[in-house]
Amino acid sequence: ETGVTQTPRHLVMGMTNKKSLKCEQHLGHNAMYWYKQSAKKPLELMFVYSLEERVENNSVPSRFSPECPNSSHLFLHLHTLQPEDSALYLCASSQDLSTGSYEQYFGPGTRLTVT
Amino acid sequence: AQSVTQPDIHITVSEGASLELRCNYSYGATPYLFWYVQSPGQGLQLLLKYFSGDTLVQGIKGFEAEFKRSQSSFNLRKPSVHWSDAAEYFCAVAPYNNNDMRFGAGTRLTVKP
Repeated sequence: ETGVTQTPRHLVMGMTNKKSLKCEQHLGHNAMYWYKQSAKKPLELMFVYSLEERVENNSVPSRFSPECPNSSHLFLHLHTLQPEDSALYLCASSQDLSTGSYEQYFGPGTRLTVT
Repeated sequence: AQSVTQPDIHITVSEGASLELRCNYSYGATPYLFWYVQSPGQGLQLLLKYFSGDTLVQGIKGFEAEFKRSQSSFNLRKPSVHWSDAAEYFCAVAPYNNNDMRFGAGTRLTVKP
Protein backbone atom coordinates (compact mmCIF):
# COMPACT_ATOMS: atom_id res chain seq x y z
CA GLU A 1 0.00 0.00 0.00
CA THR A 2 1.21 3.49 -0.74
CA GLY A 3 0.09 6.94 0.28
CA VAL A 4 -2.83 7.33 2.65
CA THR A 5 -5.42 4.60 2.97
CA GLN A 6 -8.79 4.71 4.70
CA THR A 7 -11.15 1.94 5.74
CA PRO A 8 -13.95 1.35 5.33
CA ARG A 9 -14.69 3.27 2.15
CA HIS A 10 -18.41 3.22 2.87
CA LEU A 11 -20.24 2.94 6.18
CA VAL A 12 -23.91 2.98 7.04
CA MET A 13 -24.73 3.14 10.72
CA GLY A 14 -27.71 3.77 12.95
CA MET A 15 -27.74 6.56 15.47
CA THR A 16 -27.17 4.18 18.37
CA ASN A 17 -24.25 2.31 16.81
CA LYS A 18 -20.58 2.61 17.63
CA LYS A 19 -18.12 2.37 14.78
CA SER A 20 -14.58 3.44 13.98
CA LEU A 21 -12.91 4.86 10.91
CA LYS A 22 -9.30 3.94 10.26
CA CYS A 23 -6.58 5.84 8.46
CA GLU A 24 -3.06 4.66 7.72
CA GLN A 25 -0.28 6.60 6.06
CA HIS A 26 2.76 5.03 4.42
CA LEU A 27 4.63 8.28 3.77
CA GLY A 28 6.73 8.58 6.91
CA HIS A 29 4.81 11.65 8.02
CA ASN A 30 4.37 12.79 11.60
CA ALA A 31 1.19 14.87 11.38
CA MET A 32 -2.28 13.52 10.64
CA TYR A 33 -5.65 15.18 10.18
CA TRP A 34 -9.36 14.42 10.08
CA TYR A 35 -11.61 16.50 7.84
CA LYS A 36 -15.36 16.43 7.27
CA GLN A 37 -16.65 17.13 3.76
CA SER A 38 -20.37 17.78 3.53
CA ALA A 39 -22.28 18.63 0.40
CA LYS A 40 -22.32 22.34 -0.42
CA LYS A 41 -19.88 23.18 2.40
CA PRO A 42 -16.12 23.74 2.50
CA LEU A 43 -13.90 21.12 4.04
CA GLU A 44 -13.99 21.35 7.81
CA LEU A 45 -10.85 20.55 9.77
CA MET A 46 -11.82 18.40 12.75
CA PHE A 47 -8.65 17.21 14.44
CA VAL A 48 -4.90 17.54 14.02
CA TYR A 49 -2.28 15.26 15.51
CA SER A 50 1.41 16.09 15.45
CA LEU A 51 3.89 13.52 16.74
CA GLU A 52 0.91 11.60 18.15
CA GLU A 53 -0.23 14.55 20.27
CA ARG A 54 -3.54 16.23 19.52
CA VAL A 55 -2.84 19.85 18.65
CA GLU A 56 -6.18 20.94 17.27
CA ASN A 57 -9.80 20.20 18.07
CA ASN A 58 -12.07 22.50 16.16
CA SER A 59 -15.09 22.44 18.45
CA VAL A 60 -16.03 18.99 17.32
CA PRO A 61 -18.88 17.30 19.24
CA SER A 62 -17.81 14.66 21.70
CA ARG A 63 -19.61 11.96 19.72
CA PHE A 64 -16.47 12.06 17.55
CA SER A 65 -13.42 10.74 19.37
CA PRO A 66 -10.02 10.60 17.65
CA GLU A 67 -7.16 8.30 18.52
CA CYS A 68 -3.60 8.33 17.24
CA PRO A 69 -1.72 5.31 18.61
CA ASN A 70 1.37 5.97 16.48
CA SER A 71 2.48 8.28 13.71
CA SER A 72 1.18 5.97 10.98
CA HIS A 73 -2.33 5.34 12.24
CA LEU A 74 -5.29 7.53 13.03
CA PHE A 75 -8.74 6.48 14.11
CA LEU A 76 -12.04 8.28 14.45
CA HIS A 77 -14.40 6.60 16.89
CA LEU A 78 -18.06 7.34 16.31
CA HIS A 79 -20.96 6.93 18.71
CA THR A 80 -24.50 8.23 18.97
CA LEU A 81 -24.24 10.10 15.68
CA GLN A 82 -26.90 12.28 14.14
CA PRO A 83 -28.15 12.23 10.54
CA GLU A 84 -26.40 15.55 9.91
CA ASP A 85 -23.11 13.78 10.55
CA SER A 86 -23.51 11.99 7.24
CA ALA A 87 -20.58 13.14 5.10
CA LEU A 88 -17.30 12.15 3.51
CA TYR A 89 -14.61 11.89 6.17
CA LEU A 90 -11.14 12.52 4.85
CA CYS A 91 -7.87 11.71 6.49
CA ALA A 92 -4.67 13.50 5.55
CA SER A 93 -1.05 13.47 6.59
CA SER A 94 1.93 15.77 6.26
CA GLN A 95 5.44 16.21 7.48
CA ASP A 96 5.72 17.28 11.07
CA LEU A 97 4.48 20.83 11.51
CA SER A 98 7.91 22.11 12.49
CA THR A 99 9.84 20.95 9.41
CA GLY A 100 8.58 23.55 6.97
CA SER A 101 6.98 21.19 4.48
CA TYR A 102 3.27 21.70 4.56
CA GLU A 103 1.59 19.78 1.79
CA GLN A 104 -1.12 17.48 3.03
CA TYR A 105 -1.71 14.16 1.36
CA PHE A 106 -5.25 12.86 1.46
CA GLY A 107 -6.80 9.44 1.62
CA PRO A 108 -9.83 8.51 -0.53
CA GLY A 109 -12.25 9.10 2.32
CA THR A 110 -14.97 7.16 4.09
CA ARG A 111 -18.51 7.90 2.95
CA LEU A 112 -20.59 7.79 6.14
CA THR A 113 -24.37 7.60 6.16
CA VAL A 114 -26.20 7.86 9.48
CA THR A 115 -29.73 6.48 9.43
CA ALA B 1 -10.03 36.12 10.06
CA GLN B 2 -8.33 34.08 7.42
CA SER B 3 -10.58 32.96 4.56
CA VAL B 4 -10.47 31.80 0.98
CA THR B 5 -13.06 32.46 -1.71
CA GLN B 6 -13.66 30.63 -4.94
CA PRO B 7 -16.19 32.82 -6.74
CA ASP B 8 -17.20 30.24 -9.34
CA ILE B 9 -19.22 27.28 -8.12
CA HIS B 10 -19.38 25.59 -11.51
CA ILE B 11 -17.51 26.17 -14.77
CA THR B 12 -18.02 24.46 -18.10
CA VAL B 13 -15.36 24.56 -20.81
CA SER B 14 -14.89 22.76 -24.09
CA GLU B 15 -12.14 20.21 -24.43
CA GLY B 16 -9.03 21.93 -25.76
CA ALA B 17 -10.07 25.34 -24.47
CA SER B 18 -8.11 27.27 -21.87
CA LEU B 19 -9.13 27.33 -18.23
CA GLU B 20 -8.80 29.76 -15.37
CA LEU B 21 -10.18 29.06 -11.91
CA ARG B 22 -10.24 31.96 -9.49
CA CYS B 23 -9.15 32.02 -5.88
CA ASN B 24 -8.99 35.00 -3.54
CA TYR B 25 -7.79 34.93 0.03
CA SER B 26 -8.03 37.16 3.01
CA TYR B 27 -5.13 36.99 5.41
CA GLY B 28 -2.91 39.43 7.25
CA ALA B 29 0.32 38.16 5.70
CA THR B 30 1.06 36.12 2.63
CA PRO B 31 -0.03 32.62 3.51
CA TYR B 32 0.99 29.37 1.96
CA LEU B 33 -1.29 28.66 -1.00
CA PHE B 34 -2.41 25.39 -2.54
CA TRP B 35 -4.60 23.98 -5.26
CA TYR B 36 -6.09 20.52 -4.89
CA VAL B 37 -8.23 18.45 -7.24
CA GLN B 38 -10.86 15.91 -6.24
CA SER B 39 -12.29 13.38 -8.66
CA PRO B 40 -15.64 11.77 -7.79
CA GLY B 41 -15.34 9.31 -4.93
CA GLN B 42 -11.72 10.20 -4.31
CA GLY B 43 -9.68 12.18 -1.87
CA LEU B 44 -7.90 15.42 -2.67
CA GLN B 45 -4.76 15.42 -4.79
CA LEU B 46 -2.26 18.27 -4.58
CA LEU B 47 -1.83 20.05 -7.91
CA LEU B 48 0.62 22.74 -6.85
CA LYS B 49 1.68 24.99 -4.01
CA TYR B 50 3.16 28.42 -3.40
CA PHE B 51 5.34 29.19 -0.43
CA SER B 52 7.63 31.97 -1.69
CA GLY B 53 9.80 32.99 -4.64
CA ASP B 54 8.64 32.90 -8.24
CA THR B 55 5.00 33.92 -8.34
CA LEU B 56 4.22 31.61 -11.27
CA VAL B 57 4.06 28.06 -10.00
CA GLN B 58 4.02 24.95 -12.15
CA GLY B 59 2.14 21.89 -11.02
CA ILE B 60 1.19 18.44 -12.17
CA LYS B 61 -1.08 17.60 -15.10
CA GLY B 62 -0.11 20.77 -16.97
CA PHE B 63 -1.58 23.18 -14.43
CA GLU B 64 0.00 26.42 -13.28
CA ALA B 65 -1.03 29.13 -10.85
CA GLU B 66 -0.01 32.73 -10.42
CA PHE B 67 0.23 34.46 -7.06
CA LYS B 68 -0.69 38.15 -7.20
CA ARG B 69 -0.09 39.83 -3.87
CA SER B 70 -1.76 43.09 -4.89
CA GLN B 71 -4.97 41.24 -5.70
CA SER B 72 -4.73 38.60 -2.96
CA SER B 73 -5.31 36.04 -5.66
CA PHE B 74 -3.94 32.66 -6.63
CA ASN B 75 -5.68 31.68 -9.86
CA LEU B 76 -5.24 28.28 -11.44
CA ARG B 77 -4.75 27.99 -15.19
CA LYS B 78 -4.37 25.39 -17.88
CA PRO B 79 -3.85 26.26 -21.56
CA SER B 80 -5.74 23.27 -22.98
CA VAL B 81 -8.24 21.27 -20.96
CA HIS B 82 -8.64 17.52 -21.33
CA TRP B 83 -11.81 15.57 -20.63
CA SER B 84 -10.03 13.89 -17.70
CA ASP B 85 -9.69 17.28 -15.99
CA ALA B 86 -13.38 17.22 -15.10
CA ALA B 87 -13.38 17.28 -11.29
CA GLU B 88 -13.77 19.55 -8.29
CA TYR B 89 -10.96 22.00 -7.62
CA PHE B 90 -10.17 23.43 -4.22
CA CYS B 91 -7.99 26.37 -3.31
CA ALA B 92 -6.52 26.32 0.19
CA VAL B 93 -4.55 28.71 2.35
CA ALA B 94 -2.51 28.07 5.47
CA PRO B 95 -0.51 30.23 7.86
CA TYR B 96 3.02 29.33 8.88
CA ASN B 97 1.87 25.94 10.14
CA ASN B 98 -0.86 23.55 9.06
CA ASN B 99 -3.11 23.78 12.06
CA ASP B 100 -5.45 26.21 10.41
CA MET B 101 -5.56 25.32 6.72
CA ARG B 102 -8.72 26.75 5.15
CA PHE B 103 -10.29 25.44 1.99
CA GLY B 104 -12.48 27.27 -0.47
CA ALA B 105 -15.91 25.89 -1.27
CA GLY B 106 -14.61 24.42 -4.50
CA THR B 107 -15.23 24.90 -8.21
CA ARG B 108 -16.73 22.05 -10.17
CA LEU B 109 -15.30 21.79 -13.68
CA THR B 110 -17.29 20.19 -16.48
CA VAL B 111 -15.55 19.53 -19.80
CA LYS B 112 -17.65 19.41 -22.95
CA PRO B 113 -16.53 17.18 -25.82
